[in-house]
Amino acid sequence: EAGVTQSPTHLIKTRGQQATLRCSPISGHTSVYWYQQALGLGLQFLLWYDEGEERNRGNFPPRFSGRQFPNYSSELNVNALELEDSALYLCASSLGASGDVETQYFGPGTRLLVL
Amino acid sequence: KQEVTQIPAALSVPEGENLVLNCSFTDSAIYNLQWFRQDPGKGLTSLLLIQSSQREQTSGRLNASLDKSSGRSTLYIAASQPGDSATYLCAALSGTYKYIFGTGTRLKVLA
Repeated sequence: EAGVTQSPTHLIKTRGQQATLRCSPISGHTSVYWYQQALGLGLQFLLWYDEGEERNRGNFPPRFSGRQFPNYSSELNVNALELEDSALYLCASSLGASGDVETQYFGPGTRLLVL
Repeated sequence: KQEVTQIPAALSVPEGENLVLNCSFTDSAIYNLQWFRQDPGKGLTSLLLIQSSQREQTSGRLNASLDKSSGRSTLYIAASQPGDSATYLCAALSGTYKYIFGTGTRLKVLA
């Protein structure tokens, strides 16, 4: 069974640009979570999508947004990039409301570098 | 508000030593607690997941325990090897289904 996949693995942008990160959950999973690991900081929760809707949001500005598609894949968009947005962005998925919502499986991450 | 703390922040041990990594959490109302390994520049590798109703989980040389009443979890690594060198993270799932991560323990096992 394929795990959570993320693309791209690396992304380089300049300040002010927009970045789009993608995540495909494990087949059958309806919930997708996004986390950020900035340099020198711990992993922090960003967003949770389930069944196409945003369920919860971490303490991040509105320029961090996302969406979940009908096939349950997800995009994380970061607008007006700032240098401190440089981080490893991890996506995780779980069965969601239909099953074991508690167990999250993590993807390999996208490393975003803002110059 | 859940807070997760890991002690020590860094640890250096000789090969073959048994060691214990500690994780503390402030809110005992957790769904589960998960231990991860992270190699430099890489994503997370899940090591062990303990559901709130469980006391411990074992996988090979790894054993994780959970004591919700005291808000503590430990990761025991037996017969450590240089390949075990990595950052170990614990994360507690509580509230609205988001993991709260500790800041990690950087482990170095010396050959």
